[in-house]
Order: sequence, then C-alpha cells, then structure tokens
Amino acid sequence: GENVEQHPSTLSVQEGDSAVIKCTYSDSASNYFPWYKQELGKRPQLIIDIRSNVGEKKDQRIAVTLNKTAKHFSLHITETQPEDSAVYFCAASYTGGFKTIFGAGTRLFVKA
Amino acid sequence: DVKVTQSSRYLVKRTGEKVFLECVQDMDHENMFWYRQDPGLGLRLIYFSYDVKMKEKGDIPEGYSVSREKKERFSLILESASTNQTSMYLCASSLGQGAEKLFFGSGTQLSVL
Repeated sequence: GENVEQHPSTLSVQEGDSAVIKCTYSDSASNYFPWYKQELGKRPQLIIDIRSNVGEKKDQRIAVTLNKTAKHFSLHITETQPEDSAVYFCAASYTGGFKTIFGAGTRLFVKA
Repeated sequence: DVKVTQSSRYLVKRTGEKVFLECVQDMDHENMFWYRQDPGLGLRLIYFSYDVKMKEKGDIPEGYSVSREKKERFSLILESASTNQTSMYLCASSLGQGAEKLFFGSGTQLSVL
C-alpha cells in the first residue's frame, strides 16, 4: 500500500545551525504534502504545506521543497532555536482525499 | 481561536470494557477524523466522517467504531478493549477539501490493562 518514509528518525543540531528532514512517498497520485510539528505533550500543528504544482515554499525560517519526479520532499529549518525542538511529521495525500499518509516522525533536538 | 477538544487526557480501562472517546470541535468543520499515534509508526487513520451520520473506514478500523450524530461531535468506540489498543488517540477536523489543514485535539492516552 501507500507509504511515506521519513529520515532521520532523530536529529540533533546546535542552535543557529540548519536542520533538514527528508521524506519519500510512494503514491504518484499524491499532490498535497503537509508538515506537522508536535511539541512534547502537545497536539500536532500544521506548520507548512505544499502542493505538487509548486517546487518550493518558504515561511520565515522554514521551507519545503518538492521533487515530483523522485517523489521526495524535504523540510528545511534555518537558524534553529531551542523552541524548534519537537517531533516533525511529513505527510502525503491528494486534493479532496481523506486518507493522509504520515511519516514515522523525526525528533529534532536543538541544543543551546 | 480554533478548538478541537477531547474529553479525557488520560484513560485507564480493563480488557473487554467498552470505551468511548469523545471529540468536539467548535469550528463548524465538515470533516472529522480519528487517528492513533504509536512510536515509530506516525499517525494512522482509524475512521473519518465528512458529514453528520456519515462515516468511512480508514486504514486500521478493526476493533473500532464511530458515531457522528451532530456536526460538532465525533465519538470513537472500542467495543471490547484489548491491550493492543493501548495508544495515544488523536481527533482532528478540517474545513475544506478532504484532510487538508488538519486541526488536532490534544489527544487521549489510553491504557488497556
């Protein structure tokens, strides 16, 4: 069945460095790719999303890139801060679809 | 501020018990979802609903049922709880197309002993 692979499972960076999380999806019909951030003990929250007609999207310190041919998409966080420490989930679905496939998550630690 | 509220943060039940998990949203969203979250497995869809009284199976519906009698309320039911249903359960809602831009509740950590 469809799946989304996410790497790495754990990532530790120094404050101020960049962090990159990568995902690969299997269903070529997927055209909507959201990223959710879940801080410890809190609910997942949407931080950015991208559609397949766009190759890159930025929002302040976060950006997402998409390579449709390779079925890869990535989250980039620049100038990391301790409050970026959380679990990040990538996901894939298609417009109007109800079944979102989530990656297993990446636990990001930002060391002060 | 948008809100999805789950009735219990922690719940402990015994094997074989019938368990109800309640979720209420105040955003007038059409679509509601139940996921379970397990370490290393991400979030997996149990059931979803796109309208009152309408429900559809997700990827892992076995052992669960749902009820949506009112637009704002979506209940998850474990007919006979088993230990392998020990998990974090997350309710979510979305306004527009399908499962785009999900708003999640804070979750219910269910332990079945």
